[in-house]
Amino acid sequence: DIQMTQSPSFLSASVGDRVTMTCRASQSVATYLNWYQQKPGEAPKLLISGASNLQSGVPSRFSGSGSRTYFNLLISRLQVEDFGTYFCQQSFSSPRTFGRGTKVELK
Amino acid sequence: QGQLQESGPGLVKPSQTLPLTCDISSFSINSFYSWAWVRQAPGQGLEWIGTLSHSGSADYNPSLKSRVTISGDRSRNDFSLKLNSVTASDTAVYFCVRVVSVPGSGDYFDPWGQGTLVTVSS
Repeated sequence: DIQMTQSPSFLSASVGDRVTMTCRASQSVATYLNWYQQKPGEAPKLLISGASNLQSGVPSRFSGSGSRTYFNLLISRLQVEDFGTYFCQQSFSSPRTFGRGTKVELK
Repeated sequence: QGQLQESGPGLVKPSQTLPLTCDISSFSINSFYSWAWVRQAPGQGLEWIGTLSHSGSADYNPSLKSRVTISGDRSRNDFSLKLNSVTASDTAVYFCVRVVSVPGSGDYFDPWGQGTLVTVSS
């Protein structure tokens, strides 16, 4: 199985901050990497597919980059509605695997 | 955007079978999409359970493969999950998802159902 490691596990930030989180794969997943946002009590929501493809309706302050084993999710100016947990997930091979998440909280 | 809705018992006894159904509403089980189940234990991360492809074949997480069956019902336009011999560690929120494949970019899960909490307890 491909292991996905996210860092940090937790970050505290303020509205307007530039926030970056990382996802590392235990082996290359090319750009077969997706990012999801989850808020408490809700289902995850797809933000970015294919490492950098922003989904329709997702604000442009979100961006994804990376390939092979190293990926980033950037929120250029954090908004109140961006607080929650972010998960990366690889679709390069089976079984599909997720990172354990980065929880973004209000400082 | 269409919606997915999970249904099933909220409580299952240990050693019994956990049955869940996903109503895919405005989508069609006969489309070229695949359909999957993902679960999340309380306070934990996400675990892919398995995917039912549009051709009818299923791919399962090896950690659950001996206990899981995912199948589709064209007449009801839904798909289901059966997890056998459950234990307390199977307590989780279970999500059904549509799997969208993009040539050259892999696939992704979108949309997700709201999720249903299943507790395994006597």
